[in-house]
Amino acid sequence: GAVVSQHPSRVICKSGTSVKIECRSLDFQATTMFWYRQFPKKSLMLMATSNEGSKATYEQGVEKDKFLINHASLTLSTLTVTSAHPEDSSFYICSASGLAGGDTQYFGPGTRLTVL
Amino acid sequence: DAKTTQPPSMDCAEGRAANLPCNHSTISGNEYVYWYRQIHSQGPQYIIHGLKNNETNEMASLIITEDRKSSTLILPHATLRDTAVYYCIVNPNAGGTSYGKLTFGQGTILTVHP
Repeated sequence: GAVVSQHPSRVICKSGTSVKIECRSLDFQATTMFWYRQFPKKSLMLMATSNEGSKATYEQGVEKDKFLINHASLTLSTLTVTSAHPEDSSFYICSASGLAGGDTQYFGPGTRLTVL
Repeated sequence: DAKTTQPPSMDCAEGRAANLPCNHSTISGNEYVYWYRQIHSQGPQYIIHGLKNNETNEMASLIITEDRKSSTLILPHATLRDTAVYYCIVNPNAGGTSYGKLTFGQGTILTVHP
């Protein structure tokens, strides 16, 4: 149980284009989903927290207009990197929890984004 | 939020127990101790968590000191596949401004060798 999937697993795009990453909880309802970013040899950094049906809460320094988050259902959240640039190249990881953020977070396998 | 301190790296022989320490001396009463691990280029994997009592599951055991200022994750019979970065995180499981947020430190790189 507690499986979280992400799609795509890796994506390469041209600078200036937008990329959408999906995060799904496969066997439980996720009231809260979290999006993290991880640069090479660094630890995970929380970008934003999203609750189903409401606007995401972004961490300080994360541009909400650049990283659009939608949590439309209890099993799906999407992260759209708009007008991607090479510095946005990173490993993006989502996690999901079942009880308003208080329950254990289960992580997806991550999405490797490369912007050329 | 309480911060954690972990050794940057540890080695363990295959088949032996791996004991990973974590210091969280500023932990508060409503904060749980969580352990995750991350194998290269994968998302973190949940291992175990606890509040006060020692916990055990199919993956590991968690020993929390009585004063809750430190804990030890025990992998009873380490295998090569246990080579990963292990993160010890304290997290308020109810209430507070950081409710539900996980702050990842640098973790401990555990290398299991034959």
